[in-house]
Amino acid sequence: GAVVSQHPSWVICKSGTSVKIECRSLDFQATTMFWYRQFPKQSLMLMATSNEGSKATYEQGVEKDKFLINHASLTLSTLTVTSAHPEDSSFYICSAKGGRGSNQPQHFGDGTRLSIL
Amino acid sequence: AQSVAQPEDQVNVAEGNPLTVKCTYSVSGNPYLFWYVQYPNRGLQFLLKYITGDNLVKGSYGFEAEFNKSQTSFHLKKPSALVSDSALYFCAVRGDYGGATNKLIFGTGTLLAVQP
Repeated sequence: GAVVSQHPSWVICKSGTSVKIECRSLDFQATTMFWYRQFPKQSLMLMATSNEGSKATYEQGVEKDKFLINHASLTLSTLTVTSAHPEDSSFYICSAKGGRGSNQPQHFGDGTRLSIL
Repeated sequence: AQSVAQPEDQVNVAEGNPLTVKCTYSVSGNPYLFWYVQYPNRGLQFLLKYITGDNLVKGSYGFEAEFNKSQTSFHLKKPSALVSDSALYFCAVRGDYGGATNKLIFGTGTLLAVQP
């Protein structure tokens, strides 16, 4: 149980392109979803938190106009990297948490490797 | 402010030997602690959590962790390491107590290398 599917796994695109990444909770309702960015050999950096039906809460330093997050249903959140540039190349990981209790673990997708040429 | 420290960048252990991956934390209030494992080019997999109750928590793949309040530690352990345990391990603590976001604060990760 508690499976999170993230798509696509790999994206290679030209500079200036917008890229959408999907995160789905397959067997539970995700009241909260999180988007992280991970640089090589580093820990996860939280970018934003989204609750279903409301606007995402972005971490300090994360451009909300650059990284658009939509959490329209209890099983789907999307991250759109708008007008991507080479510095946006990274490993993006989503996670989802069900229920309202704070002791529930986050369940992670397998990540999306984004390479901007 | 909440924080998590994983003092070792890498831990090397021979297959069959016990392993320990260290984690210490700093929080206000009662901590909610988690361990995750990450394999190359994959997301994180949940191993175990401590919320309340017994200090020794058992998780997936034979891993366990011991919560020590006086030492503010939550070390990950396994009695007998397998080569397949080689991966990156993250300790995490729930941050923002009383808030609605339930953010996890992650340590910097420890690379576990198990030699055959």
